[in-house]
Parts: sequence; structure tokens; C-alpha cells
Amino acid sequence: DVKVTQSSRYLVKRTGEKVFLECVQDMDHENMFWYRQDPGLGLRLIYFSYDVKMKEKGDIPEGYSVSREKKERFSLILESASTNQTSMYLCASRRTGGASGYTFGSGTRLTVV
Amino acid sequence: GDSVTQMEGPVTLSEEAFLTINCTYTATGYPSLFWYVQYPGEGLQLLLKATKADDKGSNKGFEATYRKETTSFHLEKGSVQVSDSAVYFCALSDLKQAGTALIFGKGTTLSVSS
Repeated sequence: DVKVTQSSRYLVKRTGEKVFLECVQDMDHENMFWYRQDPGLGLRLIYFSYDVKMKEKGDIPEGYSVSREKKERFSLILESASTNQTSMYLCASRRTGGASGYTFGSGTRLTVV
Repeated sequence: GDSVTQMEGPVTLSEEAFLTINCTYTATGYPSLFWYVQYPGEGLQLLLKATKADDKGSNKGFEATYRKETTSFHLEKGSVQVSDSAVYFCALSDLKQAGTALIFGKGTTLSVSS
């Protein structure tokens, strides 16, 4: 069964910590994405990557960075976590091609205290 | 730019009622259209899709028809169940921008009571 795996379902971190959220896909997809989901705001795109070592800013990249050293892994980094980064984080991957949808991971609920 | 507009929720229905969740889109190209479902505490799952005008996507009793003339992709189900309670997202992918991000609506929460 093909899948996107996010390393943690729940995470609690302290303000100022450096936080790594990991995402791995086994479908050989070229494209990977990080979203955050907040009540009333829907899904907001943070960063995406269309190839190894390539990255593009999404709608809300401030306070985040990403790393894609291997095709199957896309990491989201919070350089210095803040309470306003408490959210549900969703990773997705997609094959290149307009008819291809996303496959999502189960999400990581991050709480910054 | 491209956008997706969904009806605001929450939608509250009794079991076996008919469901419609409206979705309209704006796109300069020829998008593919998707419905995703998110059950409580989980990520999003693809529910159905349509890749060209007049296509009908269907899955688990849900249907949606790609209407180019009205730029719509409304989700319907003839008889909802309590287990259908979830958040539903409409999304589009522009074929001219293959490989870039899908564009999502804000989601519609459906609550079904027995």
C-alpha cells in the first residue's frame, strides 16, 4: 500500500526550539508539499519541492525552511518555534502531471508552549 | 489567479438525507478537479476526481460532475450516513502548471446525526 509517512502524530515543543518535521513517501513522486491547517483558514501552503534539492516558497513561508536531500524525504524545519506555529502540519506528495492528485500523510499536530 | 470557492459550513443532516456541497472554480487553463475528505484526526484522502469537462467522478456513493459551462464541481450523495461526518475539500490542478501545488477551497464540515 503506497503511502506518505509523517514521523510524529503529536509533538510538543518549547518556544525557541528548533523543530524538525519529517515526511517520507514510497511512491517515487517528484513533488512534495508542506501545509499547515488551522480552523477557519483551511490549508495553507508553506513550501513545496518539485525535485531533489529544489524548493519553492508557498503562501506562508516565514518562520519555516525545508530540506530535500533525497527524493523520498521532505523535511520541514521551524528554526525557532513560536506559539503561533501551533498547528496541524500536513505533508503531501504528487506525481508530475495535471491529472495527478495528492497523497497525504496523517498529519502532525504540533503544540508550541 | 486560479481559485476554488466552497459553500461554508457546517452542514448538518440527518441520516439518509440528500447531500450537496457546492464548489465553483476560477481557472485560466483546463483544470483537473478533486474532492478530498478528512475524517477527524486524520490527513486528507482523495474521494474522487474528474479530469475534463462532463466527466463524472464517483466513489463510496459520492458523485461530482465537472461542469465547464458553470465552472462547478458540486459534491452529491443520495443518502448520507453518520460515518460520512467529516470535512470535505474541493481542489483544482491546472494542467498548464503541472507539478505545482493544488489549489484548495477552505473546506466544508459535514455532520450527520442518526
